[in-house]
Amino acid sequence: AQKVTQAQTEISVVEKEDVTLDCVYETRDTTYYLFWYKQPPSGELVFLIRRNSFDEQNEISGRYSWNFQKSTSSFNFTITASQVVDSAVYFCALSEAYSSASKIIFGSGTRLSIRP
Amino acid sequence: EAQVTQNPRYLITVTGKKLTVTCSQNMNHEYMSWYRQDPGLGLRQIYYSMNVEVTDKGDVPEGYKVSRKEKRNFPLILESPSPNQTSLYFCASTINAGGNSYNEQFFGPGTRLTVL
Repeated sequence: AQKVTQAQTEISVVEKEDVTLDCVYETRDTTYYLFWYKQPPSGELVFLIRRNSFDEQNEISGRYSWNFQKSTSSFNFTITASQVVDSAVYFCALSEAYSSASKIIFGSGTRLSIRP
Repeated sequence: EAQVTQNPRYLITVTGKKLTVTCSQNMNHEYMSWYRQDPGLGLRQIYYSMNVEVTDKGDVPEGYKVSRKEKRNFPLILESPSPNQTSLYFCASTINAGGNSYNEQFFGPGTRLTVL
């Protein structure tokens, strides 16, 4: 069965600190996709990144970086030098390539608060 | 502009009063789905549709109906809403389901429903 676990329910840090959001997934498929979404207080879902299971290269985009490790089934997200605008709920998600429902399985989310 | 629209964005209603949340996409996508988001649970799939007149249950279909009479529209119907259906609802669409190449899912802006 597929599952995404975000063990950190809430994280609060002071501005400019680095913060890592953890994500652990379970799947029996060999081909799958992993995602991170940001949900600001306004409520919409903002797509941040997608990774397929054959690409284990880490990715950096500005202050954001992602560490994908198949050996530990983890896809962690790090924000460097956090800013107040990073405050949001962040979801990690999984989609199996051959799922007939083509659905995305979401983790329960991590609420990140950046204090000035 | 490629988009998924939902209406209404906010709705407060009373128990038992039938309501419909509309979802429309302008990308000619075959696949559409509905999710609900609840605190601590992330997003869970309610129903999905792989094409016109083809719909199926997701993980939490109880209390909901859907229809897919046209490709662009996928309304979510609550025949007799109850307070446990108070939630944030997202519609999503993608070009088709499954396969070993990724098809990006587009999410609507969300509909916040309160059932009193």
